[in-house]
Amino acid sequence: DVVMTQSPLSLPVTLGQPASISCRSSQSLVSSDGNTYLSWFQQRPGQSPRRLISKVSNRESGVPDRFSGSGSGTDFSLQISRVEAEDVGVYYCMQATHWPPWTFGQGTKVEIK
Amino acid sequence: DVQLVESGGNLVQPGGSLRLSCAASGFTFSGYWMTWVRQAPGKGLEWVANIKQDRSEIYYVDSVKGRFTISRDNARNALYLQMDSLRAEDTAVYYCCRGKGADYWGQGTQVTVSS
Repeated sequence: DVVMTQSPLSLPVTLGQPASISCRSSQSLVSSDGNTYLSWFQQRPGQSPRRLISKVSNRESGVPDRFSGSGSGTDFSLQISRVEAEDVGVYYCMQATHWPPWTFGQGTKVEIK
Repeated sequence: DVQLVESGGNLVQPGGSLRLSCAASGFTFSGYWMTWVRQAPGKGLEWVANIKQDRSEIYYVDSVKGRFTISRDNARNALYLQMDSLRAEDTAVYYCCRGKGADYWGQGTQVTVSS
């Protein structure tokens, strides 16, 4: 199984400042079709998860452009250019290249300092 | 708009059974894989099972194999999860998601396994 490791697990940030979350996979997430199936999800307190980004860097419709994803192979990151209060929550990466099983990272809790 | 509405969660004793349902609307249900993901209290997300459009491929996480059964009814736009031999560690919120990539999620349904 592919193990997804996120860091940090807790991220206190100042409003208006940037934030970055790392996600590393135990093997390359490049698929045989050439795509890399790495997604990022946001779970606000008391809400269901919501997909922010798919295939490393494709932002979902309605997701603010302050969110961006990057990376390749086994190293990926989610960046928030300027953190807003509504960004508080837990962020998960997930791989859908080597399945089953589909696997998630442990989650990174973003909170305001 | 895409909508996924789960139901069927409840308090059940260890060894008991539950059937979760997910009503889908706002998209062509028969055109998508469907997925169940769960979240234990205070924990992260865990993929549970998914099913291909025509039911020809079905996959489960190892911890539920032989106990859970995923199914779908494309005519009713419905996804199901039959959960048998439930254990305390199955206690979680269960989410229904669209596609292998989980691009849309329902609000979840709470399953509590306790005596």
